[in-house]
Amino acid sequence: EDQVTQSPEALRLQEGESSSLNCSYTVSGLRGLFWYRQDPGKGPEFLFTLYSAGEEKEKERLKATLTKKESFLHITAPKPEDSATYLCAVDAEAGNTPLVFGKGTRLSVIA
Amino acid sequence: GAGVSQSPSNKVTEKGKDVELRCDPISGHTALYWYRQSLGQGLEFLIYFQGNSAPDKSGLPSDRFSAERTGGSVSTLTIQRTQQEDSAVYLCASSVTGTRAIEQFFGPGTRLTVL
Repeated sequence: EDQVTQSPEALRLQEGESSSLNCSYTVSGLRGLFWYRQDPGKGPEFLFTLYSAGEEKEKERLKATLTKKESFLHITAPKPEDSATYLCAVDAEAGNTPLVFGKGTRLSVIA
Repeated sequence: GAGVSQSPSNKVTEKGKDVELRCDPISGHTALYWYRQSLGQGLEFLIYFQGNSAPDKSGLPSDRFSAERTGGSVSTLTIQRTQQEDSAVYLCASSVTGTRAIEQFFGPGTRLTVL
């Protein structure tokens, strides 16, 4: 069974304190790994897609990286507006479901 | 352009009643997905429509759940004889095609509360 595990469950940072969120996955064949941001009371907002190990993508203060077993979302010098839940999802070759999601990391950035 | 829209945004119902949740995907998107998000849980896949193909219903938790997609656009998720464990946020997403590894765009969700 495809599994996606995100850690930590919650992370509290001071403004400007860089850190990383982890998404580890066990799938039979990865077709793509997705990062989403979800604000309270809203649907997930697409951030990145990564397709192969070694790939990196950046957007403002966020950078996503991918290895064969995990992905990291690096947050550089975060601001309070970066506070949200960050979701990781995978699309696997052998799976029947379009996306398998992790439970997310709830990030709080304190001014 | 307009994103994915869902209605109602909130629905409170009594146990045993039927409910219908609506999703309007992004215009031109051929694939449409329903997910359920319960407190403290990840998004759980329910059903997937791609064009005129038969839907993938493998995620529906029971036969009380069903969904339709009319004219390849609007979709309705119906829950019959609602139970308290059906309380959750129901999210709809669409994508340009049903090709795997293409990003899905989500609506704001419908928060369902079953009393």
